[in-house]
Amino acid sequence: GAGVSQSPRYKVAKRGQDVALRCDPISGHVSLFWYQQALGQGPEFLTYFQNEAQLDKSGLPSDRFFAERPEGSVSTLKIQRTQQEDSAVYLCAKTRVVVDSPLHFGNGTRLTVT
Amino acid sequence: KNEVEQSPQNLTAQEGEFITINCSYSVGISALHWLQQHPGGGIVSLFMLSSGKKKHGRLIATINIQEKHSSLHITASHPRDSAVYICAVGYNFGNEKLTFGTGTRLTIIP
Repeated sequence: GAGVSQSPRYKVAKRGQDVALRCDPISGHVSLFWYQQALGQGPEFLTYFQNEAQLDKSGLPSDRFFAERPEGSVSTLKIQRTQQEDSAVYLCAKTRVVVDSPLHFGNGTRLTVT
Repeated sequence: KNEVEQSPQNLTAQEGEFITINCSYSVGISALHWLQQHPGGGIVSLFMLSSGKKKHGRLIATINIQEKHSSLHITASHPRDSAVYICAVGYNFGNEKLTFGTGTRLTIIP
């Protein structure tokens, strides 16, 4: 994606394992978003940061999901005790807090829980 | 909750044809995004609209706020346009807690 680096690109986890997915917005955009995209579906909002502040986490599906952005740049989405229904592509996006600022998405991390 | 509906779900066309993809939403918005997703790839932002019409190359996006409807047009379609096109709506500039449609899978046959 244009200036958004996500890692790993693919992750296979056994059910019950913890995983950490990383998003680096590279060129310092203020706002960072995490989305979850199940197979054949559109992305769904998980959580949103403005700088280091997590302003909205209403989309996180359970308390097993946790996101942080401690220095207002790189963000990590952590999923504890993964379940099969967590299998999806996790997308990170950034934007500036100005009118008409486009969204830039990363290529996503495809998580498969076996 | 804002519902975002796209049509058609799947579209196959011959190279050169004029393509139209539609998006309807149920609640007032601040902006509507058209996005493109290639298989296995990330999402690319094509347009962000709050009113009127925008054009970029062979792509044209329009929005009718009163009718809560937007269209994405592709002129002189090409096989490289084959992708999933996603409509998404947002409510607050700077907080793109977007609601996404399920996408339109476009296939252009040479």
